[in-house]
Amino acid sequence: DAGVTQSPTHLIKTRGQQVTLRCSPISGHKSVSWYQQVLGQGPQFIFQYYEKEERGRGNFPDRFSARQFPNYSSELNVNALLLGDSALYLCASSADSGFFLNEQYFGPGTRLTVT
Amino acid sequence: KQEVTQIPAALSVPEGENLVLNCSFTDSAIYNLQWFRQDPGKGLTSLLLIQSSQREQTSGRLNASLDKSSGRSTLYIAASQPGDSATYLCAVSRPGGSYIPTFGRGTSLIVHP
Repeated sequence: DAGVTQSPTHLIKTRGQQVTLRCSPISGHKSVSWYQQVLGQGPQFIFQYYEKEERGRGNFPDRFSARQFPNYSSELNVNALLLGDSALYLCASSADSGFFLNEQYFGPGTRLTVT
Repeated sequence: KQEVTQIPAALSVPEGENLVLNCSFTDSAIYNLQWFRQDPGKGLTSLLLIQSSQREQTSGRLNASLDKSSGRSTLYIAASQPGDSATYLCAVSRPGGSYIPTFGRGTSLIVHP
């Protein structure tokens, strides 16, 4: 079985631009979560989606948005990029929502650089 | 606000040593605690998941314990190997309707031959 996949692997954008990151969960997993990891720090929770509904939101500005599609894949959008948005963006999938909290399986991440 | 601290921040040991990595959290009302491994520039790999009602979990050379009352967890690595070199992160989740995890900054481990 394929693990969690993310695209693109690397991305370079200019301040003020918009970016869309994509994630495909493990087959059968209905929950997708997004995290931002700045170099040298632990991941910060951005969003969780379960069955196409937002189930959790971290402390991020409205420039960050996400959605989940009927096939449970997900997109993370960031508008009006700032230098501080440069980070590794991680996607994780799990079989259930946070109520049962199964293990989280992470993808390899998308490295975003904002210049 | 939940805060997670991991000590030490970095560790360098010779191959074969037994190691203890520490994770502490400020709010004991957690749902569970999970230990992850992260290789440089890569995603996270789940190592052990401990539910709040459990005291420990074991997988191979790894053993993780949880003491909710004191807000602490330890990850014990037996007979360390160079392949264990990575950053080890712990994350706790809060109870409620959604899964909101809080991660520590990690312990960077180097095991040299």
